[in-house]
Amino acid sequence: DSGVTQTPKHLITATGQRVTLRCSPRSGDLSVYWYQQSLDQGLQFLIQYYNGEERAKGNILERFSAQQFPDLHSELNLSSLELGDSALYFCASGTSGLARYFGPGTRLTVL
Amino acid sequence: QQQVKQSPQSLIVQKGGISIINCAYENTAFDYFPWYQQFPGKGPALLIAIRPDVSEKKEGRFTISFNKSAKQFSLHIMDSQPGDSATYFCAASEKGGTSYGKLTFGQGTILTVHP
Repeated sequence: DSGVTQTPKHLITATGQRVTLRCSPRSGDLSVYWYQQSLDQGLQFLIQYYNGEERAKGNILERFSAQQFPDLHSELNLSSLELGDSALYFCASGTSGLARYFGPGTRLTVL
Repeated sequence: QQQVKQSPQSLIVQKGGISIINCAYENTAFDYFPWYQQFPGKGPALLIAIRPDVSEKKEGRFTISFNKSAKQFSLHIMDSQPGDSATYFCAASEKGGTSYGKLTFGQGTILTVHP
């Protein structure tokens, strides 16, 4: 158990809809990272937050947004969903700027 | 553009053998190279990592070899065990401020260790 929790575990929705994925980092970790894993693109970095502030941005679509709250949990919002957004979404946390601990992921299926 | 190329895609090894997975990178600004292990249904887990100021790092049965001039690094798993059967990812990161969290991953290698 990495200590990183993600909810929900599975999410099935329709094209055009909006969903929110939630992540709670390990106790004491200030950084949260979001990654997308798909068969064709592999593991892709989306975005990083550190203590509530955005630190780094990857190939995150404009339809996607994230935030980190004062209690350090983070939410990834995906809107206007397309079939191609179906993937595993991982949250990771760490200290010293390192994505050390990954959560179990949220499997998103867009129908 | 794929910046980290990993090979092979899959690997079958007998118990007790040596598993070798290779990665090559293009971005010379990369200065942190971790390896992750992922079991089915789980998130990746950091296995071992190296910075380019050393050519080798060993932790238990896992060793990273790093060749800066060739821009290549590899993972060696000695005395491979069936419990090592998993997908292995190499990754690389530039230091952005104090952060190595923006990782670029290889495509992964599915390792199967036969008993």
